[in-house]
Amino acid sequence: GAGVSQSPSNKVTEKGKDVELRCDPISGHTALYWYRQSLGQGLEFLIYFQGNSAPDKSGLPSDRFSAERTGGSVSTLTIQRTQQEDSAVYLCASSHPGLAGQETQYFGPGTRLLVL
Amino acid sequence: AQKVTQAQTEISVVEKEDVTLDCVYETRDTTYYLFWYKQPPSGELVFLIRRNSFDEQNEISGRYSWNFQKSTSSFNFTITASQVVDSAVYFCALSEARSGSEKLVFGKGTKLTVNP
Repeated sequence: GAGVSQSPSNKVTEKGKDVELRCDPISGHTALYWYRQSLGQGLEFLIYFQGNSAPDKSGLPSDRFSAERTGGSVSTLTIQRTQQEDSAVYLCASSHPGLAGQETQYFGPGTRLLVL
Repeated sequence: AQKVTQAQTEISVVEKEDVTLDCVYETRDTTYYLFWYKQPPSGELVFLIRRNSFDEQNEISGRYSWNFQKSTSSFNFTITASQVVDSAVYFCALSEARSGSEKLVFGKGTKLTVNP
């Protein structure tokens, strides 16, 4: 079946502009995660959704970052007033809740964001 | 706090050599999960294996094997008879059951280059 999809694959923006990154999880996966991968910081957790709720937003680096999920499916990560340090690859992952505890997270191809 | 250390930043081997990627983790939780992901040059994170803290059995899957040792907090990954297609960055990750979100904490990754 289809995996996690993300759009756009690449985004170049000017400092100060807002950007929206989209994630389409695997069908039926109720858990959705956003991570960021940058050269300096490695892979970092940003936010976790269970259904449409976000019980863990602890990784969002500032109030310029927000995310929402609608219909228990698609999620949008918004970065307002982008800064050059926001340049990174933004990865989305989804998983299906199971009885065995932690389920495997499957990742999308990422959105490469460059802030000029 | 949870932490994952992959001390080897880069490894270079010649095809058909065996190679072991090290992973050491820190956690105060008694229930946790360990993962290995592969990130080829294309950029997408590919799931390789998941291990829970109660299962210390080593696992073999084709040329891949994993050695989980709670006594040393290590979860090492061995590739036998390496191939050029194994060239990638490999990430070890940890998730604590008590985190609620099951977010992944990643090591910095080990870049493996397999030369023909």
